[in-house]
Amino acid sequence: EVQLLESGGGLVQPGDSLRLSCTASGFTFRTYAMTWVRQPPGKGLEWVSAISGSGGNTYYADSVKGRFTISRDNSKNTMYLQLNSLRAEDGALYYCAQTQEGPVQYFGRLTSWGQGTLVTVSS
Amino acid sequence: DIVMTQTPLSLSVTPGQPASISCKSSQSLLHSDGKTYLYWYLQKPGQSPQLLIYEVSNRFSGVPDRFSGSGSGTDFTLKISRVEAEDVGVYYCLQSIQLPWTFGQGTKVEIK
Repeated sequence: EVQLLESGGGLVQPGDSLRLSCTASGFTFRTYAMTWVRQPPGKGLEWVSAISGSGGNTYYADSVKGRFTISRDNSKNTMYLQLNSLRAEDGALYYCAQTQEGPVQYFGRLTSWGQGTLVTVSS
Repeated sequence: DIVMTQTPLSLSVTPGQPASISCKSSQSLLHSDGKTYLYWYLQKPGQSPQLLIYEVSNRFSGVPDRFSGSGSGTDFTLKISRVEAEDVGVYYCLQSIQLPWTFGQGTKVEIK
C-alpha cells in the first residue's frame, strides 16, 4: 500500500523559512516523480512544484519560483520542499503526491496523495 | 498560464440521478504526442484529493465505472451516471500540457 507522510509544517512569521518533508513507502520511490500541491484553508488546489524520479528535473509555479526549492533523497525515500521568504499567501495545507514518471506532461497524473502538512504564515 | 474554468461551481443531485461537470481550458490540451493531458480529481470531505480520470477518459485503478470522462481540445466533461452518497465532495480538473499545471476552481457536489 502506498503511503505518503508529510511533516515539517508549522506557524512562522513572514520572511521565515521552513522545510517540508514527504516520506514515502509501499512503492519503488525512485521510479516515480513527485509533486507538491497546496490548498489554502477553504480554497482550491494549487500546483506548487514537481521533481523527476532521479531528481534531475525540477519544476515550479511562478508564485514560488526563486523562493522554494524541491529536492529528493532516493536513499531515504523522502522528498523535500524548502520554503524561504515566506509570505502570508503561502499559508496552506501542503500535500505531496506520487506522480507518474515520464515526459513532463505525464506529471499531471497524481496517483496517490498524503494527508498534508499545514503551513501558517502570520506575524 | 492556462486557465481552467469549471461549471457549475456547485451541484445538488438526487441519489441515483446523473450528474455532469464541465471543464473548459483557455488553450488546447492536445499534445503533439497525440494525447490530451486533462485529469479529474475528487476531494471528499476531510480527505486528500484522489485521482479519478487521467488523459480525458481513462478511469484510474479502483474508480467505479459510473464515472466517465469525455471531451477534446478545450472542452471536457466528467459524468457520473448514477450519483451515490459517497460521491459527495469537490471535483477538480487539471491540465498538464503547459507548465505551470493549473486546476479548475472546483465543483462542489452534494446530495439532495
